[in-house]
Amino acid sequence: QVQLQESGPGLVKPSETLSLTCTVSGGSFTSYYWTWIRQPPGKGLEWIGNIFYTGITNYNPSLKSRVSVSVDMSKTQFSLKLTSLTAADTAVYYCARGTDYDILTGYPHAFDVWGQGRMVTVSS
Amino acid sequence: DIQMTQSPSSLSASVGDRVTITCQASHDISTSLNWYQQKPGKAPKVLIYDASNLETGVPSRFSGSGSGTDFTFTISSLQPEDSATYYCQHYDNTPSLTFGGGTKVEIK
Repeated sequence: QVQLQESGPGLVKPSETLSLTCTVSGGSFTSYYWTWIRQPPGKGLEWIGNIFYTGITNYNPSLKSRVSVSVDMSKTQFSLKLTSLTAADTAVYYCARGTDYDILTGYPHAFDVWGQGRMVTVSS
Repeated sequence: DIQMTQSPSSLSASVGDRVTITCQASHDISTSLNWYQQKPGKAPKVLIYDASNLETGVPSRFSGSGSGTDFTFTISSLQPEDSATYYCQHYDNTPSLTFGGGTKVEIK
């Protein structure tokens, strides 16, 4: 079955850029919305953004100016870049597979497969 | 922006109890509402999609209902393994995806 695995640094300095990669294995890479979601310690979930396999992206308006999501179909990977980091960006970052349950709306409805999460701390 | 208000924030119930969680949207969202279960240290798992559809493989004691602005998630007979935090999640064609604040369910 499909599996997702995040990779990247666990500690990043303030004002720097976070780069995370999610590797997808065991399933189709097309027809899904490859998504980043984060969860600050002890808090709720926040959608960051997603990319369709064609390269079309959608971002959370509150993060849009600092976020970029890209895809590498040859490696079945997608990546997150988040710039100008502050302590408020400290969180577990999850990659997830978004689905529209074959309705083909152009945006994800739910997230049916998740990575295990990567804890990222922003600190000097 | 649509806001999702989930209640209660926490509850404690006994094995076998019926448990109900509500999620209220600030505007009419039709049935664009999903429910997730998250256990400590684990990623969330989708249980219900489009307000009332049970995700494949999810036990039938979990159910969802509602449309418009008011939604309900129910565990018909609480089991020990249901101890977790539950989140509602809205989606729309902006697109915007918003999670509720979560409800922590504990077993007495």
